Amino acid sequence: GAGVSQSPSNKVTEKGKDVELRCDPISGHTALYWYRQSLGQGLEFLIYFQGNSAPDKSGLPSDRFSAERTGGSVSTLTIQRTQQEDSAVYLCASSLEGGANSYNEQFFGPGTRLTVL
Amino acid sequence: AQSVTQLGSHVSVSEGALVLLRCNYSSSVPPYLFWYVQYPNQGLQLLLKYTTGATLVKGINGFEAEFKKSETSFHLTKPSAHMSDAAEYFCAVSDRTGGSYIPTFGRGTSLIVHP
Repeated sequence: GAGVSQSPSNKVTEKGKDVELRCDPISGHTALYWYRQSLGQGLEFLIYFQGNSAPDKSGLPSDRFSAERTGGSVSTLTIQRTQQEDSAVYLCASSLEGGANSYNEQFFGPGTRLTVL
Repeated sequence: AQSVTQLGSHVSVSEGALVLLRCNYSSSVPPYLFWYVQYPNQGLQLLLKYTTGATLVKGINGFEAEFKKSETSFHLTKPSAHMSDAAEYFCAVSDRTGGSYIPTFGRGTSLIVHP
């Protein structure tokens, strides 16, 4: 079956521009996560959506970052007024259920490589 | 709060040699434990996980890991390395008490396999 997809795969933008990154999770997965992966830094949690509950935004690094999930499916991560330090690979993951069922594995997309010039 | 430590950002082995990637966690209650692998320009994929029951867990591609509560460890091993095992490996933990629903990842270990 189809896995998690992300678009675009690569994005090059100029400092100060806004960017939108898209994630299509696996159908039926209620939990969706965004992570940022910088070279040698591992995965940095950004935001978590679970069903219709309010998202956990505790990992967003600044108010320039926001995300939404429409209809419990597709999610968009928006970065406003991009800075060079935003350059990284942004990974999206989904799982069957999150919350108390945190033993469920996460399925990751291939990521979007963002480069801010 | 839970945390996970992967000892060694890079591990280098010869083809056919034993692979040992270390992972230690820190939490008051043993968490759910995962190992993921990331090949170049790809997302992460699950190798294996421990939730309950048998402490020796077998995963894909010949990898296995053993949960040792007394050592708060979940080290990943493979008896004989193959060139195709070269990748980034991440250990992750997830709180089983419901205190946090966000898995925590280690910084990753890059496995280098020499011919």
